[in-house]
Parts: sequence; C-alpha cells; structure tokens
Amino acid sequence: DQQVKQNSPSLSVQEGRISILNCDYTNSMFDYFLWYKKYPAEGPTFLISISSIKDKNEDGRFTVFLNKSAKHLSLHIVPSQPGDSAVYFCAASSTGNQFYFGTGTSLTVIP
Amino acid sequence: DVKVTQSSRYLVKRTGEKVFLECVQDMDHENMFWYRQDPGLGLRLIYFSYDVKMKEKGDIPEGYSVSREKKERFSLILESASTNQTSMYLCASSFRYKGGEEETQYFGPGTRLLVL
Repeated sequence: DQQVKQNSPSLSVQEGRISILNCDYTNSMFDYFLWYKKYPAEGPTFLISISSIKDKNEDGRFTVFLNKSAKHLSLHIVPSQPGDSAVYFCAASSTGNQFYFGTGTSLTVIP
Repeated sequence: DVKVTQSSRYLVKRTGEKVFLECVQDMDHENMFWYRQDPGLGLRLIYFSYDVKMKEKGDIPEGYSVSREKKERFSLILESASTNQTSMYLCASSFRYKGGEEETQYFGPGTRLLVL
C-alpha cells in the first residue's frame, strides 16, 4: 500500500507564476520529509527537506510546508522557471534510513 | 561532491538471462539502496543494505538478489530476467542515521534495462 501519495501526475504553470506540488502520507510515524527533482535520464537530486518539528522550510525559490494534522506537505516554487520543468518526488522517513517515495508529479513550466 | 556511479546507462537483455547491475559510491556511506522507477508507480525499494555483507528486503524483492562485499559497492542481480523487469533502476547511498540531523540519499544516474 502506497504510504506516500502524489495525486497529481502532472502540472503546467506559466513562467514567473507559482508552482504548488502536493503530497499526502498515511503513516503518522513519518518525521522527516524531502523533495527530490528528477530530469529525464538522470537520477533524482535532493531539493529540500523538512523535519516534523517545523511547519515550513525555505531555500531560495523553494519552500516546503508541512501540515502534520492533515498529513500533507507541499512544495512551492516562486517564481517558476523553465529549468524547473522536471518530475518531482516527495519522500518520507521514520527511521532516518529508509525513505518512502511518492509516485511523482511532472511539472512543466511554460515560457 | 558525492558521486554514485552505475555500471551501465542502458542495457538490453533477453528473457532468462542473469543480469548484474553494479553501483559504486565514493563517500564512505554505510547505507546503499536499489530502487526501480516505473511510470505511475514512482520509486519502489527493491533491497537495501546498512553495512557490508548485510541486506534487507524492500517492498518488491521478488526476482532480485543483492550483494555487498565491499562498503562502496552494491550489486543488484536479476537471477532470470523477465519482461516485467524492464524498468529504470536507480541506486542510492547515504550515511547511516545516528540521531539528530537527518541524512539525504544520493542517487546514481540510473540504468535503463530492457528485457526482450
């Protein structure tokens, strides 16, 4: 059973606008969450993370929000750029060793 | 910079062949992982290893085995390849979580395997 879900397989956004990618999880023991970005024919690269003791973490144009009561996290990209076009995976962990990944959201930023 | 390398970017094998996928990391990471990525299914964990000579099953270990004889190297073996094992295979590594700051997994570029 999928413990981490990304219900939107794809998202299109105009350049300069905000991109919001969503992720839901079912396991209340998860205490660490990450976002990875993946270009075609490359491995995923780490983007940003958040610990369950926080509800927001920011790194430049990327902000991750965590709502523990709703078991929901989101990634905001502002402003979106064409180079942000990629597949984004959210991941969650409760042990710090094994990660559970979502199914991915393909983001297209239209110039 | 962390470097995780995989022996092949593309492989074509026939049904029934034994297939070896190699992964090497140069950061002295204790943990190593093998995933497969399929459309609509995301990244699914096949096997992982916390130390030399140890292995743990992930979510989809059937049809696969692994070997970790050295800390830097983690091999995925398809004993008898089948068409449903056509996929993108991704290796990752990380330091072992020891409490405090969480560790990030670093991925290799992937091996796209086609089984005919």
